[in-house]
Amino acid sequence: GAVVSQHPSWVICKSGTSVKIECRSLDFQATTMFWYRQFPKQSLMLMATSNEGSKATYEQGVEKDKFLINHASLTLSTLTVTSAHPEDSSFYICSARNRESSYNSPLHFGNGTRLTVT
Amino acid sequence: AQTVTQSQPEMSVQEAETVTLSCTYDTSESNYYLFWYKQPPSRQMILVIRQEAYKQQNATENRFSVNFQKAAKSFSLKISDSQLGDTAMYFCAFRSGNSGNTPLVFGKGTRLSVIA
Repeated sequence: GAVVSQHPSWVICKSGTSVKIECRSLDFQATTMFWYRQFPKQSLMLMATSNEGSKATYEQGVEKDKFLINHASLTLSTLTVTSAHPEDSSFYICSARNRESSYNSPLHFGNGTRLTVT
Repeated sequence: AQTVTQSQPEMSVQEAETVTLSCTYDTSESNYYLFWYKQPPSRQMILVIRQEAYKQQNATENRFSVNFQKAAKSFSLKISDSQLGDTAMYFCAFRSGNSGNTPLVFGKGTRLSVIA
């Protein structure tokens, strides 16, 4: 149980185009999902907190107009990288917590999306 | 804001030996959770072990155990009988316990290599 599906796992796009990444909780409901970004050989940096039915909360330095987050249901959050540029190339990972579980339960991670912008 | 520090960028250990990865954190909160995650080359995040701050007893999961020193804000991971499959990046992470929807704050990671 507690599976988070992230799609696509790998995408290449041209500079100036937009890319949408989906994060789905397959067997649980998540009122909140988190989006992280990981550069090569670096740690995971929180980009934003995605809240079902409301606006996402972005971390300082993350452009909300560039990284559009939509959390339209209790099982789906999407991250759209708009007008992508080569510096947006990175590994993006989502995570979520089962809203029915206790506070000390761990977050469940998707398998990540490797984005390459050419 | 909470911070997590892992001071060992890289470590290596012989197969079957024991290795300890260090982690310190800074917080003003009294209710929080600490985690160690493993990230192999596949980049999947795998939970290794977790610790509730209110518990004095150190968590243990098979070959993995922690040394949680709350006053010192230290949370080290000990891997016993190291195996080749333990080769990975290891991230220490902090999570506030103030609500159910707080994110994980990660350290910079330690790259562990298990040598045959």
